[in-house]
Amino acid sequence: SYVLTQAPSVSVAPGQTASITCGGDNIAGKTVHWYQQKPGQAPVLVVYDDPYRPSGIPERISGSYSGDTATLTISRVEAGDEAGYYCQVWDNGGDHPVFGGGTKLTVL
Amino acid sequence: EVQLVESGGGLVKPGGSLRLSCTTSDFSFNTYTMTWVRQAPGRGLQWVSFIGSTGRYTKYADSVRGRFTISRDNARNTLYLYMDNLGGEDTAVYYCAKFGGRWEVDSWGQGTLVTVSS
Repeated sequence: SYVLTQAPSVSVAPGQTASITCGGDNIAGKTVHWYQQKPGQAPVLVVYDDPYRPSGIPERISGSYSGDTATLTISRVEAGDEAGYYCQVWDNGGDHPVFGGGTKLTVL
Repeated sequence: EVQLVESGGGLVKPGGSLRLSCTTSDFSFNTYTMTWVRQAPGRGLQWVSFIGSTGRYTKYADSVRGRFTISRDNARNTLYLYMDNLGGEDTAVYYCAKFGGRWEVDSWGQGTLVTVSS
């Protein structure tokens, strides 16, 4: 089964840039989606099919690929960005979605 | 705006069963693949099951196959998850969700908590 690896936590000061990574074998050949989940709330799609954003998601949130890593970048971080972030792909071999373990973003 | 509202969660004893429902509105339910995703307390998201638009195709995570059954009623715009032989590892918030065109989960319900405990 396909595995996605995320660092458990990332910390960044307000106004700085946060980079949240998602590792997977040949992930550049897959379609990656990203979700934001604030405490006590359901997840929200923030980036799909890298680099598209649903309506209402600010441009300072973006996705990219490099090698075996997909990255969610949040520019000009605000206190309201503090949340868990999850990547997701479709495992073609298993024919099902796979989620990364999630990264908790802390705004210092 | 897409609406997904789960119900049916609660406290159940180990070995017991429960049926979750998800009532939907404001989209063409019968044309979308639907899914259940769960989240154990303090843990990440885990895909549980999905069902194709007609209900003929279903898929389950290894951890629930043989114990859970996903189904849908397109006439009632409702998704179901029947859970049997529940164990403590099934304790989680269960989210009903809708897939978009690129297999992204573009809409989520608010979740319903299932607690398995004696």
